[in-house]
Amino acid sequence: DTAVSQTPKYLVTQMGNDKSIKCEQNLGHDTMYWYKQDSKKFLKIMFSYNNKELIINETVPNRFSPKSPDKAHLNLHINSLELGDSAVYFCASSQETGQGTGYTFGSGTRLTVV
Amino acid sequence: LAKTTQPISMDSYEGQEVNITCSHNNIATNDYITWYQQFPSQGPRFIIQGYKTKVTNEVASLFIPADRKSSTLSLPRVSLSDTAVYYCLVGPRVVYNQGGKLIFGQGTELSVKP
Repeated sequence: DTAVSQTPKYLVTQMGNDKSIKCEQNLGHDTMYWYKQDSKKFLKIMFSYNNKELIINETVPNRFSPKSPDKAHLNLHINSLELGDSAVYFCASSQETGQGTGYTFGSGTRLTVV
Repeated sequence: LAKTTQPISMDSYEGQEVNITCSHNNIATNDYITWYQQFPSQGPRFIIQGYKTKVTNEVASLFIPADRKSSTLSLPRVSLSDTAVYYCLVGPRVVYNQGGKLIFGQGTELSVKP
């Protein structure tokens, strides 16, 4: 029973292509996120959705478009892929717990653009 | 959110106690200190959170001095499986509880050797 699952785990594609990464959580959380981890291990938030509504949109190229069909799913579509998009993308979800333990991350999608 | 500084890497041997210190000189009154652990090819996961003095759970202890300008994550008797990157995050509890962007620094890469 994976709490936050992402597909695919690995994605290798050519520059200029369009690709999507899917994320699903079965925790009943209201908020979902996309984070990007670059080669230097820095994790940076890209987007956040609460109950299907966009609440955080960091300075991300508009080639990246998140879509949340329902509160259990948050997909990431990337147009016209560039070499610099190569990274590991993590989906996460959170819920208020009162103890700071409310975040759960997926296992990541390693995107390689060639 | 307060800036944090941690050692980039640490080495240890199995069975030893490991202490990772994080500096956060600009911590605000309502900020909490939270540590996350990230294994290779996995997303970060919550380890421990504290506000002041000492917090202990089944995984680790967190020591916070009175001035709260630093904190120390203590891992007792590490094993090979504790090899991971450890992130120190500082911010209002509402960020962790109600959804908001987590800001990760570079983290400390801990390598445990036999």
